[in-house]
Amino acid sequence: DADVTQTPRNRITKTGKRIMLECSQTKGHDRMYWYRQDPGLGLRLIYYSFDVKDINKGEISDGYSVSRQAQAKFSLSLESAIPNQTALYFCATSGGGGSAYEQYFGPGTRLTVT
Amino acid sequence: SQKIEQNSEALNIQEGKTATLTCNYTNYSPAYLQWYRQDPGRGPVFLLLIRENEKEKRKERLKVTFDTTLKQSLFHITASQPADSATYLCALDITGAGSYQLTFGKGTKLSVIP
Repeated sequence: DADVTQTPRNRITKTGKRIMLECSQTKGHDRMYWYRQDPGLGLRLIYYSFDVKDINKGEISDGYSVSRQAQAKFSLSLESAIPNQTALYFCATSGGGGSAYEQYFGPGTRLTVT
Repeated sequence: SQKIEQNSEALNIQEGKTATLTCNYTNYSPAYLQWYRQDPGRGPVFLLLIRENEKEKRKERLKVTFDTTLKQSLFHITASQPADSATYLCALDITGAGSYQLTFGKGTKLSVIP
């Protein structure tokens, strides 16, 4: 089984709808991240969490919110989706030990807002 | 202004040759720099990390250099193969505090031609 999973893998939604993207990990890592990737803009950090009680805004947090329900689960919500939130969304984790800085990515969620 | 620049959007190279990709950054003193590989529609995969006090790091056919004076990292793939075709991303901690927060370059798409 994959270490970092994301659901759904694909989603089409309408403008104004609320949508939640979910991320689960079995790596036992404390740190989790949400990114979006757009052609020509690369990967950009939306939110990150260093433990269950520590959540921080990233470069482009406007229009998004997150919830860290447990060490293994980190959800991203779009309260009122808009077309320019159409993108590929990735969850990532990083942990301790000698490889503390490496990030492990999930397979991504392709979101289309019409 | 662009924080991290990978100065080739695309690079085509003949099989068997050495591919060299460049990552430049400005105004930061990162404690480390990382390289990732991303295949179409998939999440990035960690390849190598090099620290500020390291000049060079190797892993199989991969070699990374890090010149903190030039603010540049070079990523080399020797004896390139068609299977090496992918987009390669550099990433670094722009906070300079050895944090776990990464900022990614836009990537270089490498195509290895048989």
